[in-house]
Amino acid sequence: GAGVSQSPSNKVTEKGKDVELRCDPISGHTALYWYRQSLGQGLEFLIYFQGNSAPDKSGLPSDRFSAERTGGSVSTLTIQRTQQEDSAVYLCASSRNRGQVIMNTEAFFGQGTRLTVV
Amino acid sequence: KQEVTQIPAALSVPEGENLVLNCSFTDSAIYNLQWFRQDPGKGLTSLLLIQSSQREQTSGRLNASLDKSSGRSTLYIAASQPGDSATYLCAPWFTGTASKLTFGTGTRLQVTL
Repeated sequence: GAGVSQSPSNKVTEKGKDVELRCDPISGHTALYWYRQSLGQGLEFLIYFQGNSAPDKSGLPSDRFSAERTGGSVSTLTIQRTQQEDSAVYLCASSRNRGQVIMNTEAFFGQGTRLTVV
Repeated sequence: KQEVTQIPAALSVPEGENLVLNCSFTDSAIYNLQWFRQDPGKGLTSLLLIQSSQREQTSGRLNASLDKSSGRSTLYIAASQPGDSATYLCAPWFTGTASKLTFGTGTRLQVTL
């Protein structure tokens, strides 16, 4: 696609329910990233995919959070048993870099999914 | 710990002014650095990418400079317009963290008529 696409754009869910957030990266981009931005806060790294593998998932805040990527393309971030502190904008980005070849790599972001847990 | 600091946190200027946004980072070992803008309630738009071997990069009214040895980058906006109002984010790619960009907390810019 022309850009990184995320869906849904907005999601309101009740506390305790599970949610799935989807990211469609730019075609041909092997690297995919998930970030979280809480109200008034900076961007917090969650997880990085290279192809279908996740070599860095150090930012996932708890075991309620998981993510997968299939076919080297679409990624899904799943939050189980949502809590109010999970309310945030979840941003996905993709880039063309492979492993350590990063010098001229540019990351592109989607418009984000605004998650509200009530 | 690799950290990114952006100064000022907020800035309000009248239309037409030239302005400079500052970014400093604690580790000079970077692959590159990106500047983004974020409009309220929106995602991030990439403005400029500077590779570690470059000293500056220009796009239209925007000019970004990089002094890797001192851990600094500046974003210069010429002849500011109300449409430039947004939050500007600096993000270096540290070589020790090949998996991710590290973000500063941004500078919130308002350009008034």
